[in-house]
Amino acid sequence: QVQLQESGPGLVKPSETLSLTCTVSGGSISSYYWSWIRQPAGKGLEWIGRIYTSGSTNYNPSLKSRVTMSVDTSKNQFSLKLSSVTAADTAVYYCARDRSFGGPTTEYFQHWGQGTLVTVSS
Amino acid sequence: QSVLTQPPSVSGAPGQRVTISCTGSSSNIGAGYDVHWYQQLPGTAPKLLIYGNSNRPSGVPDRFSGSKSGTSASLAITGLQAEDEADYYCQSYDSSLSGSGWVFGGGTKLTVL
Repeated sequence: QVQLQESGPGLVKPSETLSLTCTVSGGSISSYYWSWIRQPAGKGLEWIGRIYTSGSTNYNPSLKSRVTMSVDTSKNQFSLKLSSVTAADTAVYYCARDRSFGGPTTEYFQHWGQGTLVTVSS
Repeated sequence: QSVLTQPPSVSGAPGQRVTISCTGSSSNIGAGYDVHWYQQLPGTAPKLLIYGNSNRPSGVPDRFSGSKSGTSASLAITGLQAEDEADYYCQSYDSSLSGSGWVFGGGTKLTVL
């Protein structure tokens, strides 16, 4: 069974860059899309973006100017960078493996990491 | 404000049936895009509950079922159990003038009375 584990600093200063890594175990990272999703405390889920193992990316239009994703297939890892963070970026960040049977309009999030809390504060 | 609209809360007694609605628009559910559902128990990550409108992953009880019609979808839970108390989220794909991507409902808190 594939498992995902997020890692990275739990505290980031305003205006700095948030950096997280997701390590995939129990299966290969190849040939799948991988997403980042976040959830502010007490609120709903927000898709941040996804990356394919070729490096192709799609980002949430509302975050696109601040998001960069990358993948390292040799380490079975993919990463998220979110620049110019503010308190509004404080949230639990999840990594997830996408799955679909007919293209993006059928895509869902099949496996999730446990999540990691990132707080933006000085 | 979420692109997909869910009731903030629903409740039911053990053994009863409850439904959770998810209302979208012509740029997502109404466009024929699939709807998926997730269950989030307190303090845990979301877990896939229904995919492709009405399909259950292995291990999900058949008490959970999904349906879709027009610009809306529904999750039904029959034979309600205390362990079903959780937050439930719908998800779909959205394509509009401002861009495309995957969107969630605001979530519905299910309370088992």
